[in-house]
Amino acid sequence: AQSVSQHNHHVILSEAASLELGCNYSYGGTVNLFWYVQYPGQHLQLLLKYFSGDPLVKGIKGFEAEFIKSKFSFNLRKPSVQWSDTAEYFCAVNQPNAGKSTFGDGTTLTVKP
Amino acid sequence: NAGVTQTPKFRILKIGQSMTLQCTQDMNHNYMYWYRQDPGMGLKLIYYSVGAGITDKGEVPNGYNVSRSTTEDFPLRLELAAPSQTSVYFCASRNRDGYTFGSGTRLTVV
Repeated sequence: AQSVSQHNHHVILSEAASLELGCNYSYGGTVNLFWYVQYPGQHLQLLLKYFSGDPLVKGIKGFEAEFIKSKFSFNLRKPSVQWSDTAEYFCAVNQPNAGKSTFGDGTTLTVKP
Repeated sequence: NAGVTQTPKFRILKIGQSMTLQCTQDMNHNYMYWYRQDPGMGLKLIYYSVGAGITDKGEVPNGYNVSRSTTEDFPLRLELAAPSQTSVYFCASRNRDGYTFGSGTRLTVV
């Protein structure tokens, strides 16, 4: 069965620090990759996605992610975080045309002002 | 465009009571899902549907039932509520571009 690992459970950063959240998946074939964000008390929202093409994808609010096929990874990055980035971040993977995605357990990001 | 609409937003149930969480989407997505999210935990898939008339169990289906009579609606039924079902429930629909989540139902069973 496909699995998704988010190694960092809780990350604490100061404003303006750089961010990298790890995501690794287990499936060796073609995959679609996503990052979702959940702000406190809210529902999950799509941050960015990768299907094919340029492995560096840019999403909303200055976030980007890089797909490295050889490492089965899709890490999320942001050069300079803000207090408003405090949220939980979920990585998700699915095979094209699959009925459902597999979500990681999430990483809680706390940004100190 | 409303997206995914869940009702109610909050509910308190007594042990043994039943209720239905409503979910409707207006994006004509074939795929729909119910997840529960416990404090500090990730998403656990309860049930999902790949189209009207087709449903399947997820990771934690016990104590729940679903139906999918139309593309738009995917209600979740709780029978004989138990304290272990206290959680936040999210309905979602999906197309190729990813999931769209509803705003959630916070359920407390006392």
